[in-house]
Amino acid sequence: GQNIDQPTEMTATEGAIVQINCTYQTSGFNGLFWYQQHAGEAPTFLSYNVLDGLEEKGRFSSFLSRSKGYSYLLLKELQMKDSASYLCAVLDSNYQLIWGAGTKLIIKP
Amino acid sequence: DGGITQSPKYLFRKEGQNVTLSCEQNLNHDAMYWYRQDPGQGLRLIYYSQIVNDFQKGDIAEGYSVSREKKESFPLTVTSAQKNPTAFYLCASSIPGQGNTGELFFGEGSRLTVL
Repeated sequence: GQNIDQPTEMTATEGAIVQINCTYQTSGFNGLFWYQQHAGEAPTFLSYNVLDGLEEKGRFSSFLSRSKGYSYLLLKELQMKDSASYLCAVLDSNYQLIWGAGTKLIIKP
Repeated sequence: DGGITQSPKYLFRKEGQNVTLSCEQNLNHDAMYWYRQDPGQGLRLIYYSQIVNDFQKGDIAEGYSVSREKKESFPLTVTSAQKNPTAFYLCASSIPGQGNTGELFFGEGSRLTVL
């Protein structure tokens, strides 16, 4: 079966750095997405990785290792508004998105 | 401003009633999707449509129906056959084939509660 694993919840301090991991086992791979979702709101696109390596976009970076079936989202200089759930999703060989359950990130002052 | 509009935002339904959730987009996207989100679970695909007058079942289509008569509109009907309909429903759209990043644009969601 297809499976995506992420931690259920993480806590970090304002101004610090946090890394949210995602491991996947899917039938084929055509890219990995990270979305941010504030409570009660719609998910919004953060990043897309299809090749190995690190993609940096401002305070957020996303890393992919296809051989390890592993990705992480790195958030730097954390702000209170970064408190949200972070969803990892993989595009499989049929171009269908497989979603993880999301990681709830709590930022403390 | 372009975007996706879902309505209603909150909806209460009695058991045995059908209810229709609206989804309208003015992004000129060909593909539209309906997802269901439950606590502690990933998004699950109900139905999707790649083009007008065509749609496909997703992973959990039982108890749901859709139509795609216009490019802009993709309403979802939650029928009385759906055993556990209380959930947060998300509509999304994308441009398939353009670089195929598959980035999804989501509506604000509709929260359905069955009383």
